[in-house]
Amino acid sequence: SQQGEEDPQALSIQEGENATMNCSYKTSINNLQWYRQNSGRGLVHLILIRSNEREKHSGRLRVTLDTSKKSSSLLITASRAADTASYFCATDADQGAQKLVFGQGTRLTINP
Amino acid sequence: SAVISQKPSRDICQRGTSLTIQCQVDSQVTMMFWYRQQPGQSLTLIATANQGSEATYESGFVIDKFPISRPNLTFSTLTVSNMSPEDSSIYLCSATLGGYNEQFFGPGTRLTVL
Repeated sequence: SQQGEEDPQALSIQEGENATMNCSYKTSINNLQWYRQNSGRGLVHLILIRSNEREKHSGRLRVTLDTSKKSSSLLITASRAADTASYFCATDADQGAQKLVFGQGTRLTINP
Repeated sequence: SAVISQKPSRDICQRGTSLTIQCQVDSQVTMMFWYRQQPGQSLTLIATANQGSEATYESGFVIDKFPISRPNLTFSTLTVSNMSPEDSSIYLCSATLGGYNEQFFGPGTRLTVL
């Protein structure tokens, strides 16, 4: 079964606005990763945040992690049409095995 | 980082046949995995491909249906056997370089079974 739940399932915003997606998980983790998938293609790794980190930035991306609430958020600032994609969070739920369990994903649409 | 390629990128197959998907990594990785993504769904782990030994399958997946090989550190194959329309999915290969680090994904193989 999926460990992660993401909300919203779908998000539609105007170009230039910020987009926030949330992810919740159930078990303890070593790290949490965010991926982007364009139109059913392969996954592009965006950012990894470790369990002892609270916030991480990469370009227009900001990820937070709250292990006490077992939740994470991905913020995309100043969105662009090219950001239109599905975004997934993934956790390594089985410590030592490096296996990833994916959330259901958020479908983000940026309107020009 | 690691660059992963998959062949074929897509295929349309008849019910009852089998398809073998190849995954090639450009660097020596420690772990390789195979995932399935059914239409409109998230990714589900099929198995961990172990070098030189039998793959480790997740609940709901069996070796007879999804035989996997990994003869060396950079190459793995997944076979989808005796296919049915329910096997229509995207199959993705992934790999890690070691430790609790990012996992890289191939572009996926889009399989349609008629």
